[in-house]
Amino acid sequence: DTAVSQTPKYLVTQMGNDKSIKCEQNLGHDTMYWYKQDSKKFLKIMFSYNNKELIINETVPNRFSPKSPDKAHLNLHINSLELGDSAVYFCASRRGLAEGGTQYFGPGTRLTVL
Amino acid sequence: DAKTTQPPSMDCAEGRAANLPCNHSTISGNEYVYWYRQIHSQGPQYIIHGLKNNETNEMASLIITEDRKSSTLILPHATLRDTAVYYCIVGDQGAQKLVFGQGTRLTINP
Repeated sequence: DTAVSQTPKYLVTQMGNDKSIKCEQNLGHDTMYWYKQDSKKFLKIMFSYNNKELIINETVPNRFSPKSPDKAHLNLHINSLELGDSAVYFCASRRGLAEGGTQYFGPGTRLTVL
Repeated sequence: DAKTTQPPSMDCAEGRAANLPCNHSTISGNEYVYWYRQIHSQGPQYIIHGLKNNETNEMASLIITEDRKSSTLILPHATLRDTAVYYCIVGDQGAQKLVFGQGTRLTINP
């Protein structure tokens, strides 16, 4: 029944490793997002995809590469992890580009880079 | 940058109405006011939004001033589970992204 799900919920890894976070929504929405919430609790958008097309890239380092295999999935791959990547990453979705700011968020993935 | 200003924290007694203010003096004519909340360790949750008129749903009421430069989110009978950070966000109908500010940390006390 979960509308927006993310895996894993927790991810602990060493600096320099490559890791992926997966997101799936079963709401039939066209638009999906990745947000990052740092230790100071600021929540900032990273990427947005609409119908598998990238529409927002908020000056995120190239080490971060989102991939949308279909409308229901938006995965985030991170190369060469750095200490500063430690944060909680949230996936979100909304019905469409003209549907306003009503977004539905996943439970988050807490990434810890050691 | 967030276009809204909110008090950093507020307290409210359980069972009372919680009134959370938000200033958005630079809001444009086509921009809506959205409210989200984030309960500890969870993803943000949509609460309500409005353009000009006051709005009510099963979670809350939204009162927008006539000049639209400020608004108030009202939780009519606050419970302990309403303890969260509440975010007030402005954006147009086709807003591509939500810009979160620091929000108001609301604590409901027994």
